[in-house]
Amino acid sequence: EDQVTQSPEALRLQEGESSSLNCSYTVSGLRGLFWYRQDPGKGPEFLFTLYSAGEEKEKERLKATLTKKESFLHITAPKPEDSATYLCAVQAPPFSGGYNKLIFGAGTRLAVHP
Amino acid sequence: DADVTQTPRNRITKTGKRIMLECSQTKGHDRMYWYRQDPGLGLRLIYYSFDVKDINKGEISDGYSVSRQAQAKFSLSLESAIPNQTALYFCATSEGPGNTIYFGEGSWLTVV
Repeated sequence: EDQVTQSPEALRLQEGESSSLNCSYTVSGLRGLFWYRQDPGKGPEFLFTLYSAGEEKEKERLKATLTKKESFLHITAPKPEDSATYLCAVQAPPFSGGYNKLIFGAGTRLAVHP
Repeated sequence: DADVTQTPRNRITKTGKRIMLECSQTKGHDRMYWYRQDPGLGLRLIYYSFDVKDINKGEISDGYSVSRQAQAKFSLSLESAIPNQTALYFCATSEGPGNTIYFGEGSWLTVV
């Protein structure tokens, strides 16, 4: 069964304290792995797409990496404004009709304190 | 203005009532989606549409229906709302297969 598991469920960091969020997945034929940021009461905001093992993407204090079984979102020297829920989603081969099924994890709630 | 706009943003309704959530987009994408988000469960797909004449069920379509009125408009209906449909609902769009999915701001629905 296709599955996405994110850990930890919640993470509390001090400002400047670097850490990593994990997204492990089991899917046959990964078509892509997506990271989103979600602020309370808002829609998910796209951050990165990774397509193959070894690929890395960076944006400001965030860096996403991908292996054959998991992805990490590294946060370097975080600031309070990085506080949000980070969602991981994997794209699996299509249903009939051509839809590439997107499977979401439950997310990691990150709180960065001054 | 947001590229994907949902109305209403918040709604409280009673059990058994019909409720419609509307979505419009200015991104020019053909593909539109309705997702539901519950705490601890992640986002789950309700319905998706690849164009005006194409409507498909997602993972959790029971109790829901949709209408694609135009390329830019996709509405979700709960014909007879029940309390376990209380959730945060998101409309989303994408350009094509494998492309990034962009989400609206969400509609909070409470069924009492």
